[in-house]
Amino acid sequence: GENVEQHPSTLSVQEGDSAVIKCTYSDSASNYFPWYKQELGKGPQLIIDIRSNVGEKKDQRIAVTLNKTAKHFSLHITETQPEDSAVYFCAASNGNQFYFGTGTSLTVIP
Amino acid sequence: DAGITQSPRHKVTETGTPVTLRCHQTENHRYMYWYRQDPGHGLRLIHYSYGVKDTDKGEVSDGYSVSRSKTEDFLLTLESATSSQTSVYFCAISESRVGGPKHTGELFFGEGSRLTVL
Repeated sequence: GENVEQHPSTLSVQEGDSAVIKCTYSDSASNYFPWYKQELGKGPQLIIDIRSNVGEKKDQRIAVTLNKTAKHFSLHITETQPEDSAVYFCAASNGNQFYFGTGTSLTVIP
Repeated sequence: DAGITQSPRHKVTETGTPVTLRCHQTENHRYMYWYRQDPGHGLRLIHYSYGVKDTDKGEVSDGYSVSRSKTEDFLLTLESATSSQTSVYFCAISESRVGGPKHTGELFFGEGSRLTVL
């Protein structure tokens, strides 16, 4: 099956700086890559996603890039704010189910 | 917020006892999923359902069974709970097949059920 690796497991940044989280996947058939944000005590929420026919996608301060050849994709958050503090999960799907990364705990220091 | 309710939200039980977790949705979505979340493992799929009485196994299905007798309810049962099943369990719903060509990307999660098996 698919194997998704996510780094780093923890990340601290100063408010206003950028944060980058990286994921790699193993199954070349995977064609859909969402990112989820999970706040304490809550379920994950989709924040952005990208399909394999697109290299980059932006939504305000959040962007995702995909490199199909290298099988990796990244989440970029610019101008970080304290409310960005949460656990972020990447996932890859080959059309049957999602395979999630192990999560990155992001702390934005005011 | 998507209309997903998980119950119970917290449960402590003893090894060997049966446990049932319930997921109730008001969105009339076809697909429902049960995940478990553990430190160092992320979210792993236990079972999913693609319609009433239609279910299939995920990557960590051993020791779990599911049932879906109505569109709105998806039950996860641990027939004989073990300490390795201590976890946070999340139900999720989707209007279309996860990752499929028409899938919009929205997998809506419930708030989770924390289960402790002593």
